[in-house]
Amino acid sequence: KAGVTQTPRYLIKTRGQQVTLSCSPISGHRSVSWYQQTPGQGLQFLFEYFSETQRNKGNFPGRFSGRQFSNSRSEMNVSTLELGDSALYLCASQKDVGATNEKLFFGSGTQLSVL
Amino acid sequence: AQSVSQHNHHVILSEAASLELGCNYSYGGTVNLFWYVQYPGQHLQLLLKYFSGDPLVKGIKGFEAEFIKSKFSFNLRKPSVQWSDTAEYFCAVNVASGGSYIPTFGRGTSLIVHP
Repeated sequence: KAGVTQTPRYLIKTRGQQVTLSCSPISGHRSVSWYQQTPGQGLQFLFEYFSETQRNKGNFPGRFSGRQFSNSRSEMNVSTLELGDSALYLCASQKDVGATNEKLFFGSGTQLSVL
Repeated sequence: AQSVSQHNHHVILSEAASLELGCNYSYGGTVNLFWYVQYPGQHLQLLLKYFSGDPLVKGIKGFEAEFIKSKFSFNLRKPSVQWSDTAEYFCAVNVASGGSYIPTFGRGTSLIVHP
């Protein structure tokens, strides 16, 4: 069974640009969540999608947005990039969003560098 | 707001030493607790989880964690570490939100084990 796939693996952008990251969950998983990982802040929750609907959103500005498609694949978009957006962006999937004890399956992440 | 605190940000040990990583959370309701590990160059993966029953849970690779409700703690332990345990360790608590459960992560603990 293929794991969670994130593309691209690395991205270099300049301030003011926008970026779109992609995530394909494990087959059969309908919940996709996104996290920002930085050395100082650890993992911070961005948002979660289930059946094409955003179920939860973290404390990030509106420049961060996402969507989920009918095949459960998800994209996140960051507009008007700032230097502080440089981070590893992780995607995770799980089968059922309502199961509290379900573990997350993480992708390898997209390393975004903003110059 | 719920939070997860990991008190040790950097830990350096020699092989065969014992390990205990602290994790405290602030949430008054029912919790489900997780420890995730990120080995160098690999994606995050589940080490162990607690959701009910015996408060002492055992995970992969000889790790265990004890849930102490009165102390709001879920410390990770291993009696004898190996060089291959060098990794970043994240404690997480699942919090109910919007019909689903969102994990709140601690900032992580970087463990370096010297051979």
